[in-house]
Amino acid sequence: EAGVTQFPSHSVIEKGQTVTLRCDPISGHDNLYWYRRVMGKEIKFLLHFVKESKQDESGMPNNRFLAERTGGTYSTLKVQPAELEDSGVYFCASSPLWDLEFAFFGQGTRLTVV
Amino acid sequence: EDQVTQSPEALRLQEGESSSLNCSYTVSGLRGLFWYRQDPGKGPEFLFTLYSAGEEKEKERLKATLTKKESFLHITAPKPEDSATYLCAVQARNEYSTLTFGKGTMLLVSP
Repeated sequence: EAGVTQFPSHSVIEKGQTVTLRCDPISGHDNLYWYRRVMGKEIKFLLHFVKESKQDESGMPNNRFLAERTGGTYSTLKVQPAELEDSGVYFCASSPLWDLEFAFFGQGTRLTVV
Repeated sequence: EDQVTQSPEALRLQEGESSSLNCSYTVSGLRGLFWYRQDPGKGPEFLFTLYSAGEEKEKERLKATLTKKESFLHITAPKPEDSATYLCAVQARNEYSTLTFGKGTMLLVSP
């Protein structure tokens, strides 16, 4: 069974540019989560989708971040315009149930804004 | 605000040298405490969830315990392949989406 897949693995962009991260969840998983780890800090929650609906987006840092999950399948997280403090590792996780015990994480996308 | 503190930040052990990792937490009603293992360049890999004080769970050389204020991850006779960062996270009772993570303990087991 394929796991949670994230694209790209690494991205280096200049401040002010736009970047789109993609997450392909495990097939059939209705729940999709985005988390990120900024250098030297702990992993922090960004948002949670149930199918195509945003269940909780309380962790989104500001309106430069836009997450979508069209059709309840893959999800994208767009950062526009990117700032230096957006650098970090962005993780996606998916779960078949609304229970984090059954969530699987992807390998992450390392974003570097220069 | 929910908070998780892990100690030590880094731990170096010899193969076979047992030890414990600590996770102290404050949360507005605990739904569950999670332990994850993370290898370099990979995402967190689920190990255990503990739900109530006194609960214990084991997996191979790992055993997790929970009290009302902290959790321990005991590693018995570790092997080099146990080297990884171990993450602790809590989920509050009124939260369905959010895990609050600690910064992790980086474990290195030397042969």
